[in-house]
Amino acid sequence: DTEVTQTPKHLVMGMTNKKSLKCEQHMGHRAMYWYKQKAKKPPELMFVYSYEKLSINESVPSRFSPECPNSSLLNLHLHALQPEDSALYLCASSQEFPSNGQETQYFGPGTRLLVL
Amino acid sequence: AQSVTQLDSQVPVFEEAPVELRCNYSSSVSVYLFWYVQYPNQGLQLLLKYLSGSTLVKGINGFEAEFKKSETSFHLTKPSAHMSDAAEYFCAVSDPVGSNYKLTFGKGTLLTVNP
Repeated sequence: DTEVTQTPKHLVMGMTNKKSLKCEQHMGHRAMYWYKQKAKKPPELMFVYSYEKLSINESVPSRFSPECPNSSLLNLHLHALQPEDSALYLCASSQEFPSNGQETQYFGPGTRLLVL
Repeated sequence: AQSVTQLDSQVPVFEEAPVELRCNYSSSVSVYLFWYVQYPNQGLQLLLKYLSGSTLVKGINGFEAEFKKSETSFHLTKPSAHMSDAAEYFCAVSDPVGSNYKLTFGKGTLLTVNP
């Protein structure tokens, strides 16, 4: 099973709302990632968790708050977002991190977020 | 930092015609290269990757890519396109970040397949 699941598939929120995105994998992977993808652009790395600890934060604004409650689950808490944060949010996982650069990342289908 | 360049933002082909999607990378001592495909409204799926060894890499769905160090290229090819191949294709490189690596993607190439 090489599946990464994400919920919800679609989310509409106002700028004052608080919402959360959820990502789950059962492949025993120890690294999990959040990416942001704007329309017709490549994915941009936001966060990396390794063994449930935050390893990389790509200078993401604090209105995005990641959480890794256990090795299978990754959340992204959203608060006071801006319309420009509207995008496809992708979760991914890989076997290990620190990486040796060779691991395959397995991506979920994404959550399409619209901020009004 | 490592980078990849996909010069073609869109490549139109006819069904059953050959496909070539171009990717060039910034030179480095060692480089790990990936091709991912993204179908509409879906996540990314690995097509193939080059780590070392044989420079001709075969992937899923009949795609293959050849690593050419002298040309710093990693072009993706398929002998005969199917309608189902229509998608966005991303070339990516493992980019060292301190003692770690992260994936850095090219801008993507949209493959359109016409009947």
